[in-house]
Order: sequence, then C-alpha cells, then structure tokens
Amino acid sequence: NAGVTQTPKFRILKIGQSMTLQCTQDMNHNYMYWYRQDPGMGLKLIYYSVGAGITDKGEVPNGYNVSRSTTEDFPLRLELAAPSQTSVYFCASRPTGHNTEAFFGQGTRLTVV
Amino acid sequence: AQSVSQHNHHVILSEAASLELGCNYSYGGTVNLFWYVQYPGQHLQLLLKYFSGDPLVKGIKGFEAEFIKSKFSFNLRKPSVQWSDTAEYFCAVNVSNSNYQLIWGAGTKLIIKP
Repeated sequence: NAGVTQTPKFRILKIGQSMTLQCTQDMNHNYMYWYRQDPGMGLKLIYYSVGAGITDKGEVPNGYNVSRSTTEDFPLRLELAAPSQTSVYFCASRPTGHNTEAFFGQGTRLTVV
Repeated sequence: AQSVSQHNHHVILSEAASLELGCNYSYGGTVNLFWYVQYPGQHLQLLLKYFSGDPLVKGIKGFEAEFIKSKFSFNLRKPSVQWSDTAEYFCAVNVSNSNYQLIWGAGTKLIIKP
C-alpha cells in the first residue's frame, strides 16, 4: 500500500494565482482531512470529509475549497493565493470509527510571494 | 470547546536524559488519545495510542505514555533519549461526541544534544 500520497511536495505561487493540492489514499478510508501546519501553531483543520460526496469546513476554511468525488481522492483548491496561505499542508485519512488512527501524507510546502 | 494543551513548546535535553512531555485535554467524556512524532522534514507518524484498557501504553522506539483520567492527562515519557529522538511531538485527542475530528495540541519541539 502506498498509504496517503500528496503532490506536489513543494510549490511557490504568486499572489492571486490558483492551484490544487492533490491527495489520494489507497486504504479505502472514509474520513479524510486537510490540515495546515504553521510554526508554533500545531495543526489547524481546513476541511474534512466523512465520505465520497460529503465535505465540511474545519477551523480555517477561508480561501480554500475541496471536493470528494471518490473515496480515494480529496483535492484542496486555493483560488486566489495570499501570503497568509504560506504554510505546510498535510492530508490525512482515517478509517471509520472512534478507535482508529489517522495516516498522514508527506506534506506540501507552499510559499506565496 | 474541547482543547488540547502541550505545556512545553521547546525542550532541550542531553542524550541519556529522561523525557516527559505533558499533554492535557479538556473534555469530560470518553476519549481516544494519540501521540504523533514528526522528524525533521518528514510527515507525522503515530508514536502510540490509547483506546481503552491498561492506561500505560507502550509505543515505538521506547516511548510510553500514561493516561490519567482524573487529571485529563496523557504524558509522554522515555527513560533515556537519543539524538535521533530530535523531532516535534504532537498530542491529539478524539472525543466520543465526534467520530471524525481529532483535536491537536500545538506541538513540542524536542532537541537532543549529542
């Protein structure tokens, strides 16, 4: 199993540009998450999904959009990049149920200049 | 609102020193508890987890954590650290009224001096 795969690993965007961060998992997990990690701030939840076709906002959704057309894929879209979106982004997946752990992708380091 | 507190943002130790990283959560119901580790330049990996049963859980690389329900705590310990333990450590909690959400602490950066 590849687990959770994120692409790209690094990206530099100019202010106002858009991009999609890709996330795919091959573990047939229903739950998927997008987090951003800023220094000293821990992980902040951007969006999550409890299954194909179902998404919801997390703690910091502004400036982002997601879709979940399949169980495997959960892309994160930045429409108008801003410097405040400079961060490391992690995708995670988790099986359904209370007693389960999350599996993380390698992360995408995004810089907006 | 539920929250997770990690008391130390930065910890510096010498090799062979003992380690204890604090984690407290605010939620009165049933919880599942996790410690994740992030080595420099890498993604988060599970170190250990508590779901039920023996409150002293053992994880990988000699780490252990103790769940003390009365103190709402899940502190991480290691008797003798190594240089390779240099990493950032995150505590996370899954509360019983939310199957899908994990609540994360801010993380503790651990630096081990050789």
